[in-house]
Amino acid sequence: EAGVAQSPRYKIIEKRQSVAFWCNPISGHATLYWYQQILGQGPKLLIQFQNNGVVDDSQLPKDRFSAERLKGVDSTLKIQPAKLEDSAVYLCASTGLAGGRNEQFFGPGTRLTVL
Amino acid sequence: AQTVTQSQPEMSVQEAETVTLSCTYDTSESDYYLFWYKQPPSRQMILVIRQEAYKQQNATENRFSVNFQKAAKSFSLKISDSQLGDAAMYFCAYRSAMGNNNDMRFGAGTRLTVKP
Repeated sequence: EAGVAQSPRYKIIEKRQSVAFWCNPISGHATLYWYQQILGQGPKLLIQFQNNGVVDDSQLPKDRFSAERLKGVDSTLKIQPAKLEDSAVYLCASTGLAGGRNEQFFGPGTRLTVL
Repeated sequence: AQTVTQSQPEMSVQEAETVTLSCTYDTSESDYYLFWYKQPPSRQMILVIRQEAYKQQNATENRFSVNFQKAAKSFSLKISDSQLGDAAMYFCAYRSAMGNNNDMRFGAGTRLTVKP
């Protein structure tokens, strides 16, 4: 079974530029998560999708971050414009059933550096 | 809001020895789930072990076991017979079992080094 795919693996941009990350979850997984992991910290949830609908985006900085999952499969996370403090690893995870004891399967992440 | 605290930023263990990683959490809820995830260098995060709060028996997965103390809100991970491949960041995580809140809260992590 193929895992969660993410691209690109690394991205370096200057502040005020825009950037987009892509995630393809495990086939059949209805729930998709985007996390931000700042160096030295644990992952923090940005947004959760159930199929193509948003379940939780309470911690997403909506003035600059946006995410979509139009067909309920792959997802894109965008930052526009980027700030220095956005430097982090952006992790995508998916699960067949959300919540409870169910495991989240993580992708390799995209490491973003904002200069 | 629930918080997860890992008080050991770094730990080291000799190969074949046993090491315990600490985790405490703060919650007013009675039903929840706890997880330990492993994140090897430049590799993706994988689940090590999980515990349901309503279960008194501590979870075990081969060389990995937990010491779940619900009253103390403590959830430590014990790695027995440590192997070089166990070297990684370990994250403790909490998830509520109530309502629609599926948010998983992570601690800051503990970096485990295994010495040959």
